[in-house]
Amino acid sequence: DAKTTQPDSMESTEGETVHLPCSHATISGNEYIYWYRQVPLQGPEYVTHGLQQNTTNSMAFLAIASDRKSSTLILPHVSLRDAAVYHCILRVAMQQGTGSKLSFGKGAKLTVSP
Amino acid sequence: AQTIHQWPVAEIKAVGSPLSLGCTIKGKSSPNLYWYWQATGGTLQQLFYSITVGQVESVVQLNLSASRPKDDQFILSTEKLLLSHSGFYLCAWSLEGDYAEQFFGPGTRLTVL
Repeated sequence: DAKTTQPDSMESTEGETVHLPCSHATISGNEYIYWYRQVPLQGPEYVTHGLQQNTTNSMAFLAIASDRKSSTLILPHVSLRDAAVYHCILRVAMQQGTGSKLSFGKGAKLTVSP
Repeated sequence: AQTIHQWPVAEIKAVGSPLSLGCTIKGKSSPNLYWYWQATGGTLQQLFYSITVGQVESVVQLNLSASRPKDDQFILSTEKLLLSHSGFYLCAWSLEGDYAEQFFGPGTRLTVL
């Protein structure tokens, strides 16, 4: 799977909209962009994913560049609950019956201040 | 709703002793199941995955083994623990098929002394 690059950390204040960037310059055409977040001593939580089009759900908006070499996870009106390490992961579409491999890196630590 | 349960919550074991960690998924039939490990301060690594009962694939070799004795159960074990086995063990499940997001359990914290 291709590599992603994220900032080590980002800081924000409650109520702000946060933009978490992810660079994936060598992404392949069949690689999906997944975002997970993890707080200490808990399992990662799925946030969102996309292929080419921007996507939105109750947690976040994922903006994908037209050339797919970068993406930005946008968290509107963050709260203290959103403080976590955010992982941007690329995953190749797997063949049916082979399971899915997620390769987690260090991610980007988001700090939210009151 | 699907629930995922891991046991024990935490364990302190001696080097050389055996280990068995368990994971149960309720509310979903025939899930894909995964074991992950995270050393303190380290990144999360996938260890094993299973797509069906009795079938387990190894992703990373850490002198551990895994088994899937039932559709809803995944076991991680070793006969002899090493100091390097300390860390946080997570079980996860996903739906069958491609692009499926994974849902993680609460984890087991293992300390090997």
